[in-house]
Amino acid sequence: EVQLVESGGALVKPGGSLRLSCAASGFSFSHACMTWVRQAPGKGLEWVGRIKSKTDGGTTDYAAPVKGRFTISRDDSKNTLYLQMNSLKTDDTAVYFCTTDPYYGDPDAFHIWGQGAMVTVSS
Amino acid sequence: QSVLTQPPSASGTPGQRVTISCSGSSSNIGTNYVYWYQQLPGTAPKLLIYRNNQRPSGVPDRFSGSVSGTSASLAISGLRSEDEADYYCAAWDDSLSGPVFGGGTKLTVL
Repeated sequence: EVQLVESGGALVKPGGSLRLSCAASGFSFSHACMTWVRQAPGKGLEWVGRIKSKTDGGTTDYAAPVKGRFTISRDDSKNTLYLQMNSLKTDDTAVYFCTTDPYYGDPDAFHIWGQGAMVTVSS
Repeated sequence: QSVLTQPPSASGTPGQRVTISCSGSSSNIGTNYVYWYQQLPGTAPKLLIYRNNQRPSGVPDRFSGSVSGTSASLAISGLRSEDEADYYCAAWDDSLSGPVFGGGTKLTVL
């Protein structure tokens, strides 16, 4: 079964750090472009960033609101995606989803989603 | 303020055909593929349409997508109660160098 499972969500104080993980199974993780999308409470979807497969260069791209504060990485030996979040702000409060397309080779088609990890930034 | 503009709400009765619009610009819908997602309350989004008008396996043919210029539309025919959800459009934006989403449309089945 193709599956993504996020973990690591927590309550963090402003200025703090947190690392989310996304464990993948059922598809060729090493060949997949992996993306993080977030959703603030009661709000819409917002792209956070992505990391390409190593065969496609392994490069990362970030949305402007998180650039310089968030880092996306991957460990293909563990089939795991990471999101390191530093200098957290209250505006970062959201459910964070990892997502990918293991079927069509389309990095912009978010076909498979995890269940989401809640990150709350509050003092 | 979302880069892609969707109506905040839409409604229809069972069996009816409903259309949800998504307005963008030349830097996103005008030059890149459009995707549509359905999100039921408390769940992760589900891909409904990819590359403007393609349906993933398992998505009923009641759902269809189209693009004209810098606007896109999602049509749902034979509306059913289980279609009540939030719907989001998305497209890569060349100016922002990343995908952008619409603000979402809450569909109510009356």
